[in-house]
Formats: sequence, C-alpha cells, structure tokens
Amino acid sequence: AQSVTQPDIHITVSEGASLELRCNYSYGATPYLFWYVQSPGQGLQLLLKYFSGDTLVQGIKGFEAEFKRSQSSFNLRKPSVHWSDAAEYFCAALVSGGYNKLIFGAGTRLAVHP
Amino acid sequence: KAGVTQTPRYLIKTRGQQVTLSCSPISGHRSVSWYQQTPGQGLQFLFEYFSETQRNKGNFPGRFSGRQFSNSRSEMNVSTLELGDSALYLCASSLVPLSKKLNQPQHFGDGTRLSIL
Repeated sequence: AQSVTQPDIHITVSEGASLELRCNYSYGATPYLFWYVQSPGQGLQLLLKYFSGDTLVQGIKGFEAEFKRSQSSFNLRKPSVHWSDAAEYFCAALVSGGYNKLIFGAGTRLAVHP
Repeated sequence: KAGVTQTPRYLIKTRGQQVTLSCSPISGHRSVSWYQQTPGQGLQFLFEYFSETQRNKGNFPGRFSGRQFSNSRSEMNVSTLELGDSALYLCASSLVPLSKKLNQPQHFGDGTRLSIL
C-alpha cells in the first residue's frame, strides 16, 4: 500500500544545532515529494518539493531535502536551527492513479531548546 | 496582495446536515486544493481543482465534493455530516497544479474549523 512514514513523532534539538527529519515512502515508482511546516503563528506552509533530477532540493527558511531512491527516503535538513523553527513538519508524496493523490505522513513535532 | 481567504472560520453543525465551505485563492492562482486535519487521522488530502477541473483526489467518500468557479474560487460540500467530520478544513492556492514540475509556492488559508454535534 502507498504510504509515507515519519518515524520520529517528537524531536528536540538545541538552537544552533543541525537538524534532520526523516521521511520514507512506500510506492512502486518515484513519487513527487513534499515537505510542509505548520506553526501556530504562520499556519501551514510548503517548504520544498522534489520532482526529479537533482536529488538535493533547496527550500524556504534555509531548509533542504535529499532524495535517496535506494532508501526510499526524502529527509529534511537544516544546518543550524533557530527557535522559530519549532513547529510540526509533514512529509507528503503525490502518487499517481486514476487521479493523483497526496499522501501525508503523521508529522514530526520539533521542539527547540535555547 | 490578499492571501487565501476561507469562510466561515468556525461552523457548528449537527449530524445529518450538510455544509458548504468556501475558499477564495490569491488573485491569479488557478489551483485550489483542500485538506482535512484531525487529531486522529492527521493531515489528509481531499482534492485539487485547477481551471474548474478536478485534477487530484484523495480517499474520501462521495459525501465530500467540491467545485471551482471561473474566478477560481472553490467550494467544498459535505453532505450527511457525521461526528468524524469534525475537523479543521484547510485550502491552499497556487499558480500551478501540485503535479506540475515547477517550484511554485502554495499559500494556505487559516482554515475552517467544523464541529459536528
């Protein structure tokens, strides 16, 4: 079955530390992949998306994600976390069928310690 | 530039009723997509419209339907409401459809919080 898995429900990092949020997908072909962020002050935002080609994708707010076909992963990274990055992060995959559908992971809640 | 506007912000209905939610996209945006968010099921994709045509669709029953008008405004209708339909309904607009290989941003509205009694 098509699915998106975010193995970490909660992650806590210190401000200034690096961050990696994991995402794995289960799908026969390579789907289009997305990362979203949801914070109380700013609602839901699209951070970045991957279609094909260069496996390292740059997004907004200093985030990047790397697609690894061999691991069916699309992990989100940031070199130095800011306190304002505390939010919930969702990975999603657009899979094709009669209609395309967007499947979300359960989300990872990020807390940032000063 | 006005953002994505969803109306109403809050709504209370009872089981069996039907409801219509509205989403006005950013001017010039032709793609509107709808999402349901609940504590139990998380974030789920309902459907996407582009130029008045449904382009993408999630796994929701036929009680959930939508449409898009020529001015790109979109409505979502839920008939025969059930308790489990209580959720935050979000819409997002973009210049291009989700499946387009272009890095265009999506802009989300603040959502409509629907409560079913």
